[in-house]
Order: sequence, then structure tokens, then C-alpha cells
Amino acid sequence: DTAVSQTPKYLVTQMGNDKSIKCEQNLGHDTMYWYKQDSKKFLKIMFSYNNKELIINETVPNRFSPKSPDKAHLNLHINSLELGDSAVYFCASSQRLGIYEQYFGPGTRLTVT
Amino acid sequence: AQSVTQPDIHITVSEGASLELRCNYSYGATPYLFWYVQSPGQGLQLLLKYFSGDTLVQGIKGFEAEFKRSQSSFNLRKPSVHWSDAAEYFCAVGYSSGGSYIPTFGRGTSLIVHP
Repeated sequence: DTAVSQTPKYLVTQMGNDKSIKCEQNLGHDTMYWYKQDSKKFLKIMFSYNNKELIINETVPNRFSPKSPDKAHLNLHINSLELGDSAVYFCASSQRLGIYEQYFGPGTRLTVT
Repeated sequence: AQSVTQPDIHITVSEGASLELRCNYSYGATPYLFWYVQSPGQGLQLLLKYFSGDTLVQGIKGFEAEFKRSQSSFNLRKPSVHWSDAAEYFCAVGYSSGGSYIPTFGRGTSLIVHP
């Protein structure tokens, strides 16, 4: 069983479109994260949710809106996509809030044309 | 603000040779330190972590890392590299702030293994 899964794995879309990426974890963890990895492999945290509550929002444009319907899911919706949004987006989870090991999903490669 | 520096973008070693990947951090208090590995097309997997105690930390896949406070370093080592170790390696430092956890990753070191 996959611990942290993301769909879709690849997403190609045009500028101005709205898209969503879904993330699910079956580890029973309380905390989930979204990261963005750019073309130079730089990994930066975007959001963190703990028990469905937003904890971290790292100066991400408000075109990005995370939604956590329950503890096991953290989805990322992106409005009005721009070329600069092209990246690999990783979802991760950890047992609870604090300094715990993070378990990463396989990533979603978003390409905006 | 905390930061992590991985000075080597690429490292090339021969299979069977020893490996050391460098990581330096900048943080005022005792850091929480991690090494992750990312295989091509995959997410990150934790190799090892340091929170406190023994400064030499053992991880999975035969890796170890040593925390040196005086040098603000947390270098990753492996005595004998296997071809399957070819991957991207990320050092990360984390701190807890107001109950939340802020992880900061280095830019990664790409390990190339020659047969």
C-alpha cells in the first residue's frame, strides 16, 4: 500500500487554467504538507496543515489554495496558472506537528504552457 | 533565519569507493538535522536524522552522518558506494516555532556512480 499518494502524476495545462492536485495519506498522520520543487531541484515548503487546520503558509500567492477535507487528505488548487508555476509538487505527511520524519509522495510534475 | 548549504552540486564516485556529502547549516540554536534521498522520479526518503545525543548517527542503506557543532556541519558518509546509490541527496534543518515546524532544505547534491 502506498503511504502517501498523489494524483495526477503528470499535469500539462495552459496558462490561465485552474487545476487541482490531490494528496492522500494512509499512515494515520496528523500533519500534511505541500512542497514545490523547481527546475534546479530547490525544495521549498508551501503549506502545512495539522488536523485540517492551516499552520504554515509560506508567502505563497493566493492563487494557490490548499484544502483539507479530513486528516488524510490535503488537496492543492491553483487558479489562473502561470508559466512560473511549472514545477514538481510534493505532498508529505508526518505523525504530528513538530520535528518528525516526513513521508513524501511521488510528486506531481506540473507543466504550464 | 536558518539556512542550509550543500556546496557540491554534483559528486562523482566509482562504485565501491567511499563517499562524503557536505552540509553546513546556519541556525542560532540546536538544530534538528536530516538527510533525505530522492531517486529519479520519486519522492524524498529519510536516510537519517539528528535531534540530540550521540553526534554520529546511523541511517538506512549503510549511511551515517556526523554532527559537528563547531563547524556547523552535518556531513553524510558511506564507506562503499553501490550503483543504486545514484540519486539526489538533500540536507535539511528544521526548527520548531510556535508549535509549527519549519523545514529548510539545501539545494541538493547529485551523486553519480561510475561502474
